[in-house]
Amino acid sequence: GAVVSQHPSWVICKSGTSVKIECRSLDFQATTMFWYRQFPKQSLMLMATSNEGSKATYEQGVEKDKFLINHASLTLSTLTVTSAHPEDSSFYICSARVTVGNTIYFGEGSWLTVV
Amino acid sequence: EDKVVQSPLSLVVHEGDTVTLNCSYEVTNFRSLLWYKQEKKAPTFLFMLTSSGIEKKSGRLSSILDKKELFSILNITATQTGDSAVYLCAVTYNNNDMRFGAGTRLTVKP
Repeated sequence: GAVVSQHPSWVICKSGTSVKIECRSLDFQATTMFWYRQFPKQSLMLMATSNEGSKATYEQGVEKDKFLINHASLTLSTLTVTSAHPEDSSFYICSARVTVGNTIYFGEGSWLTVV
Repeated sequence: EDKVVQSPLSLVVHEGDTVTLNCSYEVTNFRSLLWYKQEKKAPTFLFMLTSSGIEKKSGRLSSILDKKELFSILNITATQTGDSAVYLCAVTYNNNDMRFGAGTRLTVKP
């Protein structure tokens, strides 16, 4: 299947700093990428849908100024957690929709710990 | 309101048993239904279903979609301990919307 690479796989940062997570589709073009957050033993919570070349669509309750999403090319989307706080510590996962065929593949996820 | 409901939420079986996981949905302009298996990290793709009545099969796993009754089932036959995971159902709809169910946590005991 198609490969989605997410980087970094884990990151520890200090409270108040910003962290960027990258999501790349390695062998296909992805017009649409999705960003999720997952708390332990819970399902994925969709944060936002990003479309290449346009502004991301955020789910209700997700602060767009805190979670900046950029989808600058057909193979790369980034999520920047700005002014991170300990409550932002979580598992963040991206997924990418194959432009032809519509199947959606997930990245490996990124563990963020804010200390 | 658009929603995806999975049942049961958790299930404990013994090796060799057959299990059926359910996913029902209510969305506008349905596009596809996807099944994923999630163990420790990110979900891995199992099946994508777009048409009613066509069974998708991969080894001991199979799935089918009923667009009239708005549900899908995921069957696992001859379960093994390695099948223990959370199974997620997701529905894509409208132009770009996607919604996940809460997942079914399957535990297979030896």
